[in-house]
Amino acid sequence: DGGITQSPKYLFRKEGQNVTLSCEQNLNHDAMYWYRQDPGQGLRLIYYSQIVNDFQKGDIAEGYSVSREKKESFPLTVTSAQKNPTAFYLCASSISLAGAFTDTQYFGPGTRLTVL
Amino acid sequence: QKEVEQNSGPLSVPEGAIASLNCTYSDRGSQSFFWYRQYSGKSPELIMFIYSNGDKEDGRFTAQLNKASQYVSLLIRDSQPSDSATYLCAVNNHAGGTSYGKLTFGQGTILTVHP
Repeated sequence: DGGITQSPKYLFRKEGQNVTLSCEQNLNHDAMYWYRQDPGQGLRLIYYSQIVNDFQKGDIAEGYSVSREKKESFPLTVTSAQKNPTAFYLCASSISLAGAFTDTQYFGPGTRLTVL
Repeated sequence: QKEVEQNSGPLSVPEGAIASLNCTYSDRGSQSFFWYRQYSGKSPELIMFIYSNGDKEDGRFTAQLNKASQYVSLLIRDSQPSDSATYLCAVNNHAGGTSYGKLTFGQGTILTVHP
């Protein structure tokens, strides 16, 4: 089955801890994205990567870090510098063909992070 | 002004009716537009995308795009209780092939279809 997996489904963090959210895809997509969703809100872009070993900040990158060492994997670390990390975190991927404005993003099932 | 704005909702329609969801965007350079459905507690799933002015139909769903008015809508015909969800409008601020895939989302409209 091709798709995007995220783990864990639920994550609890104590104040001052760093936590890492996993995102893996076997769709052979070049581009991967991390979004955050707060209750009653749309999705806000944290980081995105269009190619291995390269990534760019999105609109709300402060307090987060990412790596892209493999095409299939794009883990997100929520650091202690992120003041309000409780949210639903969504990973997405797209084929990312150059110039293809019809590029469609497909989402993983999400990780719900709660700060205790 | 928000970059992508959706009618605030919640929207409630009876089963079998047409549900109309609206979205406006501020960036005139936007080229492609996506509608996602999100059930409570789940991740968004793509319903359809549109990039040419006019209508695009897929089963009970019709997307309408008017770039001059910077307006995109989603019509759901013969609404079913299973259509009850949050609908997210997303806009691709693609520019010259360098920012492809970067989507900006609206805040979503909650739709309830009652029997």
